[in-house]
Amino acid sequence: GESVGLHLPTLSVQEGDNSIINCAYSNSASDYFIWYKQESGKGPQFIIDIRSNMDKRQGQRVTVLLNKTVKHLSLQIAATQPGDSAVYFCAENTSGYSTLTFGKGTMLLVSP
Amino acid sequence: DSGVTQTPKHLITATGQRVTLRCSPRSGDLSVYWYQQSLDQGLQFLIQYYNGEERAKGNILERFSAQQFPDLHSELNLSSLELGDSALYFCASSTLQGNGNTIYFGEGSWLTVV
Repeated sequence: GESVGLHLPTLSVQEGDNSIINCAYSNSASDYFIWYKQESGKGPQFIIDIRSNMDKRQGQRVTVLLNKTVKHLSLQIAATQPGDSAVYFCAENTSGYSTLTFGKGTMLLVSP
Repeated sequence: DSGVTQTPKHLITATGQRVTLRCSPRSGDLSVYWYQQSLDQGLQFLIQYYNGEERAKGNILERFSAQQFPDLHSELNLSSLELGDSALYFCASSTLQGNGNTIYFGEGSWLTVV
């Protein structure tokens, strides 16, 4: 079946750098996307979402970009901090279906 | 804190046994979801309930069942447990049925089957 996938399983950055985590989705009918952050031993935490009628959405230190043409989603974290170290998941939702489909996740490692 | 509460946080049980995981959704949320997270399968959707009724079913085994009660809390029952059922089980909730609505996750119940 169709699924959401991630290009990079692990991303290592230095504190203060900007991080970019990428996600490819295959279901062209998906119209709502969410990024979650999961720290060790905790549940996925909502970071930011975007609907398919938008290309970009900004939050506090995070920006999500959506390119529907190539079915690509990215999460940009500005001035990455050690506390940002976690696994990041993208998830997609399709109108008419109430569930989220998750990608495999990308581990972000931030060095001080 | 997402507002979704799960108990127990950790559970160790033997193969063949039956366990019940409990979830209280965020205040006001009508939809409850159950997900299983294992190292090799990632986050897998199991089942969703909306206002007491089953709404969607994912990769849930026949040995597993769930329900949502009138007070909106939910329980996931796992029976005839096998070693491969060891995983983190997450409950999540959302306000509406989930179409384009943010889903918030609890901290999970870690199940170890020995």
